[in-house]
Amino acid sequence: QVQLVESGGDVVQPGGSLRLSCTASGFSFSSNDMNWVRQAPGKGLEWVTFITYDGKKKSYRDSVKGRFTISRDNSKNTLYLQMNSLRTEDTAVYYCAKDLRGGCCFDSWGQGTLVTVSS
Amino acid sequence: QSVMTQPRSVSGSPGQSVTISCTGTSSDVGGYDFVSWFQQHPGKAPKLMIFDVTKRPSGVPDRFSGSKSANTASLTISGLQAEDEADYYCCSYAGNYFWVFGGGTKLTVL
Repeated sequence: QVQLVESGGDVVQPGGSLRLSCTASGFSFSSNDMNWVRQAPGKGLEWVTFITYDGKKKSYRDSVKGRFTISRDNSKNTLYLQMNSLRTEDTAVYYCAKDLRGGCCFDSWGQGTLVTVSS
Repeated sequence: QSVMTQPRSVSGSPGQSVTISCTGTSSDVGGYDFVSWFQQHPGKAPKLMIFDVTKRPSGVPDRFSGSKSANTASLTISGLQAEDEADYYCCSYAGNYFWVFGGGTKLTVL
């Protein structure tokens, strides 16, 4: 069965950096587009960033553009999110989510990893 | 990248039906048949319940159904059960590899 396991969440000061990882198993990772979605404490879901199966196309929500970078290593079945210049408003549980197919929807999610940005 | 509008809360008694609306724009809900709905229980990851406006993934009960008219999508849950109590989020593709979520609706089963 599909399994997505996020790691790397931590407490970091404003302006700091963090790299999240998402290890995939149970499906053909190299054939699937992937996303990161976040959820601030007590708030709703917010799409953050997308990457195609081959890593050639990426997109970001405006509030993280220029600060966050999504990447993947298909040889390791791993998705990454490099987060720089972190702000308090980036505090959230970060989920990696698999695309069912192009444009559609997120059919499998990890359990999430908590990022806390605080001084 | 605006949030789509959902009612903050809805409620219903066991066995009844409830409908949750999700209002977007012609750039998201109205522009694509890529509306999905997610169920999220406290402390858990979201679960896909409806995709492509009306389709149900394997394992999702047929009590859950979706529809769309113009810029508004809807999720209907019939025959409410206690385990349906959760937060529900709509999501729509918005073109150019962007997605937008609704603000979420808390469903209470009375």
